[in-house]
Amino acid sequence: GAGVSQTPSNKVTEKGKYVELRCDPISGHTALYWYRQSLGQGPEFLIYFQGTGAADDSGLPNDRFFAVRPEGSVSTLKIQRTERGDSAVYLCASSPGMLTEAFFGQGTRLTVV
Amino acid sequence: AQSVTQLDSQVPVFEEAPVELRCNYSSSVSVYLFWYVQYPNQGLQLLLKYLSGSTLVESINGFEAEFNKSQTSFHLRKPSVHISDTAEYFCAVTISSNTGKLIFGQGTTLQVKP
Repeated sequence: GAGVSQTPSNKVTEKGKYVELRCDPISGHTALYWYRQSLGQGPEFLIYFQGTGAADDSGLPNDRFFAVRPEGSVSTLKIQRTERGDSAVYLCASSPGMLTEAFFGQGTRLTVV
Repeated sequence: AQSVTQLDSQVPVFEEAPVELRCNYSSSVSVYLFWYVQYPNQGLQLLLKYLSGSTLVESINGFEAEFNKSQTSFHLRKPSVHISDTAEYFCAVTISSNTGKLIFGQGTTLQVKP
């Protein structure tokens, strides 16, 4: 595809359930980022991948959050035992390298009820 | 640690009027600065960036921003806005030796009225 694709676009889940959010970056982009945007706030950094490895996961709020990028392209953000406070829009971005333009997907809106 | 403050959460302005969206940052090391725009029902898009060189940077749709190191600011300006500029604008920074992760401000909603 031409841009960063995130699926699903919307996800409603019950408190305590497990969810997976998927990101398809632009082909050839080695850098991939996950951000979380709560209502009325700017995006907050979660994790950065360079290739297959998580080069910086300092933004993950706790050990319920985990992300993988096994083949250096598609990434999955995994949230265990979801809580109502996890409700937010989760954004994925990719770029060809550091300090080049980061291209954002449209996000996955997660609602935990 | 770095932080970004956007001083105005909402800026209403009439069409063809000038506008300034304010952004201040805090960092103990050199930073790179960005403005992203989010149009209704669309993803974030890069509007302009300052990496080095001239402190005045411009976008293709008439916006400009000036890096002011002494005032730690990167305000966004446009001399004459259009209805189509209605969107949310985010200022962001990344530090030179970092991974390229962005620290965003809270956002400013620009509402252009006819």
